[in-house]
Amino acid sequence: QVQLVQSGAEVKKPGASVKVSCKASGYMFGDYGVIWVRQAPGQGLEWMAWISALNGVRYSAQKFQDRVTMNTDTSTSTAYMELSNLGSDDTALYFCARGSSIPAAGDYWGQGTLVTVSS
Amino acid sequence: DVVMTQSPLSLPVTLGQPASISCRSSQTLVYGDGYTYLHWFHQRPGQSPRRLIYKVSNRDSGVPDRFSGSGSGTDFTLKISRVEAEDVGVYYCMQGTHWPPTFGPGTKLDIK
Repeated sequence: QVQLVQSGAEVKKPGASVKVSCKASGYMFGDYGVIWVRQAPGQGLEWMAWISALNGVRYSAQKFQDRVTMNTDTSTSTAYMELSNLGSDDTALYFCARGSSIPAAGDYWGQGTLVTVSS
Repeated sequence: DVVMTQSPLSLPVTLGQPASISCRSSQTLVYGDGYTYLHWFHQRPGQSPRRLIYKVSNRDSGVPDRFSGSGSGTDFTLKISRVEAEDVGVYYCMQGTHWPPTFGPGTKLDIK
């Protein structure tokens, strides 16, 4: 069955970077992309970015463009998302999801990675 | 960015009764390929979102047929024919037609 397993919770100081991993299984990793979505505590969902696992094409929402780096490792079927220059408003649960394209929403989701930014 | 609005934001429902959630977009959601990329998600407390409906009216695998989606252009609806206890949580609509994809604010469904 399709599964996306994310790395564990992180606590970071303001200005630092965090790297979240998302290991996929149960499907051909290269046939899909990976979407990244975040959810601040008690808040709704915010679409961040998408990367194709086939060719590495990436798109990030404008507010994250300068701070988000994504890549994939097809040998381990793992996607990575790094967010730099963290601020307190980056404290959130970060989800990865399988997404065939940008218009198509994620059909399978990871369990989420809590990133806490605190001095 | 396309603004997605949902109503109501809070929806108390009696078990076995129907429920309906409205989602409106600030722009039409018909994509260049003719499809309308409006999707619905359900998030139970403490869990990841789960996609229920994709492209307006297509139920995802394993989604009970009491869930249905409809609509076109800028107005969309998610209906639950008979609410069950497991349906509690927050429902989000999301558009993928326009860049960047955006979510609605969510509708919290609970049992009366």
